[in-house]
Amino acid sequence: QSVLTQPPSASGTPGQRVTISCSGSSSNIGSNYVYWYQQLPGTAPKLLIYRNNQRPSGVPDRFSGSKSGTSASLAISGLRSEDEADYYCAAWDDSLSGPCYVFGTGTKVTVL
Amino acid sequence: QVQLVQSGAEVKKPGSSVKVSCKASGGTFSSYAISWVRQAPGQGLEWMGGIIPIFGTANYAQKFQGRVTITTDESTSTAYMELSSLRSEDTAVYYCARDETDIVAFYWGQGTLVTVSS
Repeated sequence: QSVLTQPPSASGTPGQRVTISCSGSSSNIGSNYVYWYQQLPGTAPKLLIYRNNQRPSGVPDRFSGSKSGTSASLAISGLRSEDEADYYCAAWDDSLSGPCYVFGTGTKVTVL
Repeated sequence: QVQLVQSGAEVKKPGSSVKVSCKASGGTFSSYAISWVRQAPGQGLEWMGGIIPIFGTANYAQKFQGRVTITTDESTSTAYMELSSLRSEDTAVYYCARDETDIVAFYWGQGTLVTVSS
């Protein structure tokens, strides 16, 4: 099962700011970069944030990431209807059985 | 621009095996890790394992150890994921994803639906 915990859902009206949390531990978020992926309905995931707070080219600056200790968060400002999707955090986990890339439980963002 | 194109949907019997392919185009195939991630219906993402083609040694999630084999063919820029002893719980969409430098899963394939049913 997922070792990174996210709220199952978040919502906001167009233009609002929505924040999604991601809680981990010292073996994953506490010692490695955090990534965020966006998955629109029926499509493959897309990289949204890497190295805690970096955006790939083409990702709007409405999306921002941050990390503090063993937690991270993704903020979506100026919420738009096309942001309605599932969002997953991820990080490498330095487990005793070897490094493992772990995903969060996922958060469904609804634009009201 | 890197593109990953996966093989088509599969229907398998319980106890059998499935092998999914992921053909890369654009960029340098050998130098960057390729991961396999699966998503059961209505569920989240789950990392199965990964491989850096130039090194050839795969790293697997403990959950799939002994049941999954990830390989690559550098001559065709193709990665493969074989899952054995299939059970109904393995019904899922299987994705390949490729790193860009040290950025994990920068590029994604379109996904391959594997249905396990008697």
